[in-house]
Amino acid sequence: TQLLEQSPQFLSIQEGENLTVYCNSSSVFSSLQWYRQEPGEGPVLLVTVVTGGEVKKLKRLTFQFGDARKDSSLHITAAQPGDTGLYLCAGGRNVNTGFQKLVFGTGTRLLVSP
Amino acid sequence: DSGVTQTPKHLITATGQRVTLRCSPRSGDLSVYWYQQSLDQGLQFLIQYYNGEERAKGNILERFSAQQFPDLHSELNLSSLELGDSALYFCASSGTGRGARGYGYTFGSGTRLTVV
Repeated sequence: TQLLEQSPQFLSIQEGENLTVYCNSSSVFSSLQWYRQEPGEGPVLLVTVVTGGEVKKLKRLTFQFGDARKDSSLHITAAQPGDTGLYLCAGGRNVNTGFQKLVFGTGTRLLVSP
Repeated sequence: DSGVTQTPKHLITATGQRVTLRCSPRSGDLSVYWYQQSLDQGLQFLIQYYNGEERAKGNILERFSAQQFPDLHSELNLSSLELGDSALYFCASSGTGRGARGYGYTFGSGTRLTVV
């Protein structure tokens, strides 16, 4: 069961364009993280947001956690070829042992052409 | 180098066989997580260990098992392998998994398993 749906699934744009990736769920998460994965490598953490409505900026990337903590968005300004990769959102859920586990989204594959 | 080491990087084996994947977490991290990534299922959580004890279980098949040793390295054992088990298997570690909101995972580079 996939709890986090990302859209779009694929995105091919030209260098310099702006884009937004969405991560949606019907479940509430205690935290939301965004990762980028390149071919042959594991996902690399970009950012973590924990408060509803929280906005974080990382250079040209802006991340927002929805007010209800069910959704998130990633906006990239003036995309560059180096932004190419698979973007994954991941929601933190509490398990009854007192621990958290991360549930990953379906992924958005981004290709930025020069 | 993320600090999380996974071996082997590639593994090709026949159906019905058993394999062991190994993971060394980042220095100081107590939690180890195993994920399976396939094209049609995305990144699926298998199991979590914290300081040697199993703490959370996901969609892990009965044919699969894992453990975390006293030195904190972990092994994922896959048995009676089927063609559908072909996937990337990732290990991740974090400093804590106990109710800490917002902690990040550090992933290894994965083991690509091909079952033929």
